[in-house]
Order: sequence, then C-alpha cells, then structure tokens
Amino acid sequence: NAGVTQTPKFRVLKTGQSMTLLCAQDMNHEYMYWYRQDPGMGLRLIHYSVGEGTTAKGEVPDGYNVSRLKKQNFLLGLESAAPSQTSVYFCASSSDRVNTEAFFGQGTRLTVV
Amino acid sequence: KQEVTQIPAALSVPEGENLVLNCSFTDSAIYNLQWFRQDPGKGLTSLLLIQSSQREQTSGRLNASLDKSSGRSTLYIAASQPGDSATYLCAVRPTLTFNKFYFGSGTKLNVKP
Repeated sequence: NAGVTQTPKFRVLKTGQSMTLLCAQDMNHEYMYWYRQDPGMGLRLIHYSVGEGTTAKGEVPDGYNVSRLKKQNFLLGLESAAPSQTSVYFCASSSDRVNTEAFFGQGTRLTVV
Repeated sequence: KQEVTQIPAALSVPEGENLVLNCSFTDSAIYNLQWFRQDPGKGLTSLLLIQSSQREQTSGRLNASLDKSSGRSTLYIAASQPGDSATYLCAVRPTLTFNKFYFGSGTKLNVKP
C-alpha cells in the first residue's frame, strides 16, 4: 500500500525556471492538499482540491498553480521559480468523511538558486 | 480563523521520563484532532486521531486527550526512548471548513540516552 507518493524527492532550480511536482494517492481520497514547510513558519496550505476537476486557493497560493485532472493525482506547478519558493513541499490526502485522518507524502525538497 | 499553538517549541528530556506535549486551538468547533510525528527530512506520520466526541485515544505508549470545550489536547508519552526524538505536530479539522486542516508549529522532542 503506497499511500501518498510525491515525485521528485529533491530538485534544484534556477530562478525563472519552471517545474511540476506530482502527488499520487492510491486510497481513493476525494481531498488532496499541497503544503509548504519552512523553518519557524510551520505548515502552510498552498492549494487544495475537494475532488477531480476542482481546485481552491489556500493561505499562500501566489506563484503556484495546481491541477486535478484525475482523482488520484494532484499536480503543483511553479511557472517561474523564485528563491522565496525554496522550501519543503508536502502533499496530503484525506477522505471526504470528516472523521478520518489525513495522510502525507514524504516531501519534496526544492531549492531555487 | 482557527489558530493552533504548540508549547513548548522544543523539549529535551532524559530517557525513561514520562512527558506531555500540549496543543491548544482557538475554535472548539472541530470534528477531530490528529497528532503526527515528523522525523528530520521525512514526511508526517499519523500517530493518533481523536474525534470531537472522544476524551482520549491510546496507542502503545502514547495517549492523546482532548478537551474540546477548553480548546486543548495533550499527547502523553510514557517511558520515553531516544527513538521518540522527533517533531510532534497536532492538527485540527474544523466543522465549518471541514475540507482543511490547521496545524500547530510543532514541538521538537529530544530524548537523551
């Protein structure tokens, strides 16, 4: 049982480059999330999705785009990377049944130079 | 907006001690509260999920309690071991915005041999 899988695990980008982070879950969850984690800032929600074909903004959406074309996948895109986007990115998923837990991927460590 | 606070930010104890980690939240209208463990460079691993109707949940040496009316949860770790060293985060799932989770900044625990 893979749970939530993120690719890639590490990446170094130059300022202005673009990239896409992929999150895949095999638990048939409706809800999927992208967070970033920075020292002293905790986990901050970037974007989330409540089902296939839907996306919504979180706390810190600027500079990111997302897509949920398939229920099991949630993609996070950086169109023009900036050093401020250096962070660890986590994907999570949960059922739409509210009394269930959230599951997290192992993270993507992104450095923008 | 729901605010989640974890105090202390860091804790160092000798092996064998029983210890308590604290989590407080500002809005008591929640479905559940989840405790996670995060090892350095890793993702979040779910430890315990406690529903709003429950007072506590236990798993091995871990016991989580919830006092919803006062906006507090505690994670009790019995007979701590060096392997318990990690960052512990709590997250609440509000009833009004049930498709989101709100996280505390975590307590970094160091158990000294």
